[in-house]
Amino acid sequence: KQEVTQIPAALSVPEGENLVLNCSFTDSAIYNLQWFRQDPGKGLTSLLLIQSSQREQTSGRLNASLDKSSGRSTLYIAASQPGDSATYLCAVPDYKLSFGAGTTVTVRA
Amino acid sequence: NAGVMQNPRHLVRRRGQEARLRCSPMKGHSHVYWYRQLPEEGLKFMVYLQKENIIDESGMPKERFSAEFPKEGPSILRIQQVVRGDSAAYFCASSPAQGQSYNEQFFGPGTRLTVL
Repeated sequence: KQEVTQIPAALSVPEGENLVLNCSFTDSAIYNLQWFRQDPGKGLTSLLLIQSSQREQTSGRLNASLDKSSGRSTLYIAASQPGDSATYLCAVPDYKLSFGAGTTVTVRA
Repeated sequence: NAGVMQNPRHLVRRRGQEARLRCSPMKGHSHVYWYRQLPEEGLKFMVYLQKENIIDESGMPKERFSAEFPKEGPSILRIQQVVRGDSAAYFCASSPAQGQSYNEQFFGPGTRLTVL
C-alpha cells in the first residue's frame, strides 16, 4: 500500500522568500505524481503533473522535481507572494490517488 | 470545456436523512473517482467508477454508502441514514478513458455535507 508523507506540515515565510515543500512515497513504482493547491473551504487545483520518466516539471514560479529511486518529490515556489498562501498536496496514483496530508503555507506580507 | 461539476456545493441534512451528491465529469471523461476529506484530515479515496461499472469501491464504508455512474447523467454518491460523522467535504474527480493508465485527474469544487 502506498504511503505518502509531506514535510513540513506547516510553513510560514515572509514575502519574497523561496518555498521548498517535500513529498515522499513508499512505493517507487509510480506512473506519475501530481501537486495540488487547496484554498480553505475550496476544491483542489492541479498545479503540476510529473510523469515517471521526467525528473522535473516547471510552470511559472513553480518547479517540481521527482526522484523515483529515492521516493521523493520537491515543489519549489520562487519569490513567494501572499497569494501563495494555501495548503499544498502531493498525490501518487495507483489509478486512485493516495494523498499526503499536505503542507499549509502562510506567506506574510 | 467546462470542468468537473458538483452539486450541491453545500448540503445540510439531519441525522437519519439521505444525502445525494452529484458529479458531472469533464466532457469526454468516462472515469470518475470520489474522495472524502474529513475535518482536519487528508483526502481519502472512496470509489472509482466507469460508465455503468464500479471498478474499485475499497474505500467506501460497508454500510449506508453507495455510488453509481449511469450510462446517461451524472455520477451519484448516496449516503443513507446520515450520521454526524459523515460531515465532510466530498470531492469528485474525472479522467479520460485510459489508453494508458494513470491519467491526470481533474477535481470538482466539492460538496460540503453538514449533518445536524
